[in-house]
Amino acid sequence: NAGVTQTPKFQVLKTGQSMTLQCAQDMNHNSMYWYRQDPGMGLRLIYYSASEGTTDKGEVPNGYNVSRLNKREFSLRLESAAPSQTSVYFCASSESTGGGDTQYFGPGTRLTVL
Amino acid sequence: RKEVEQDPGPFNVPEGATVAFNCTYSNSASQSFFWYRQDCRKEPKLLMSVYSSGNEDGRFTAQLNRASQYISLLIRDSKLSDSATYLCVVITGGSYIPTFGRGTSLIVHP
Repeated sequence: NAGVTQTPKFQVLKTGQSMTLQCAQDMNHNSMYWYRQDPGMGLRLIYYSASEGTTDKGEVPNGYNVSRLNKREFSLRLESAAPSQTSVYFCASSESTGGGDTQYFGPGTRLTVL
Repeated sequence: RKEVEQDPGPFNVPEGATVAFNCTYSNSASQSFFWYRQDCRKEPKLLMSVYSSGNEDGRFTAQLNRASQYISLLIRDSKLSDSATYLCVVITGGSYIPTFGRGTSLIVHP
C-alpha cells in the first residue's frame, strides 16, 4: 500500500502560469481533502470531497479548482498562479467525513510562485 | 479569534522530562478531537484521538475539558525522537470539516 501519493514534490511557477497538483489514494477511502500550510498559519482546508462525485469549498478556496476524477484521485488546479499561493500543499484522505476518522496525508508538494 | 488556538512554543525540555500542551477551541458544538504529529518538512500523522473520558497511549495522555473548551496532551519521559510539532485538530458537528491549530513545537535535548 502506497497510502496517499502526490505529484509533483516540488514546483516553481511564474505568476500567471497554471498547473495541476495530483493526488491519489489506494485505501478505498471515500473522502479526500486539499490543504495548504504556510509558516505560522497551520493547515488550512482549500477544498474537500466527501465522496466520489461531490466537492465542497473549505476555508480558503479562492484561486483554486478541484476535480474528483474517481474514488482514488483528487486533483487541485491553479488556473493563474499568484505569489500568495506559494505554500506547501497536502492532500489527505479518510474513510468518511463522519468526524471520527483518521486523516492520512500525502508527502506534500512544495510550490513556489515567482 | 481563531477557532483553534495553540501556544506555538517552542517548548525546550531535557530528555526524561514531562511536558504538557493545551489547545483551546471556540465552538462549543465541537465534537471530535485529535492530536497529530508533524516532523520537520514531513506530512502530519495521527498521534491519538481524544476521548471524553481521557485516554492514554504509552507515554502519551490526552484529556478533554468540555466545560473550559480545551484539550491537552501530556508526554511523560520525553525522548529525543519526540521532537516535532504537535497539531491539535477539532471537528465541529454538522460541518465535519477539520480545523487545525497552528501547532506547538517541542524540542527535546540531551
